[in-house]
Amino acid sequence: DAGVIQSPRHEVTEMGQEVTLRCKPISGHNSLFWYRQTMMRGLELLIYFNNNVPIDDSGMPEDRFSAKMPNASFSTLKIQPSEPRDSAVYFCASSQTSGRGTDTQYFGPGTRLTVL
Amino acid sequence: AQSVAQPEDQVNVAEGNPLTVKCTYSVSGNPYLFWYVQYPNRGLQFLLKYITGDNLVKGSYGFEAEFNKSQTSFHLKKPSALVSDSALYFCAVSASGSARQLTFGSGTQLTVLP
Repeated sequence: DAGVIQSPRHEVTEMGQEVTLRCKPISGHNSLFWYRQTMMRGLELLIYFNNNVPIDDSGMPEDRFSAKMPNASFSTLKIQPSEPRDSAVYFCASSQTSGRGTDTQYFGPGTRLTVL
Repeated sequence: AQSVAQPEDQVNVAEGNPLTVKCTYSVSGNPYLFWYVQYPNRGLQFLLKYITGDNLVKGSYGFEAEFNKSQTSFHLKKPSALVSDSALYFCAVSASGSARQLTFGSGTQLTVLP
């Protein structure tokens, strides 16, 4: 069974450009999470969706970041315009959420974003 | 608010020796505790979790963790370390009714020396 799929695996772009990261969660999972990992700040939750609806986006750093989940099998994280400080590894994770906090999240391989 | 502390950024151990990676937590309500491992250029992989019941939880690759409620700790252990265990280890916590799901620690880099 395929795990969480992310694309692209690597993205190099120039400051000011739009960047779109993509995620396909594990089939049957009803929650999806976007994380950002940097050396300075560690692993940060940006936003999470439950049944395709954004539940908590308090971790989104600023208005340049937006995320969508148009259906149960696809989500995007967009940065417009991108800045060098956005350089990081972005992870998508999914889980079958019971609402009790006991659910295991399964992570994708990540997208390494470099903004020049 | 819930939080996790991993007091050691780096742990070195000789191959064949037992290893311990420390984790303490703070939550309101019952804690649910997780350990993940991250190999270079890979995503986080689930190792084990504590929900309720036996305080000693066994997970993948021979790892286990002990839940200690009085010390609010959930240390990861393995009786005999392998060089291939060298990786970044994350402890995470959630709590009943937690709206933000998992909160991760800062990670501990484990190096097993041959």
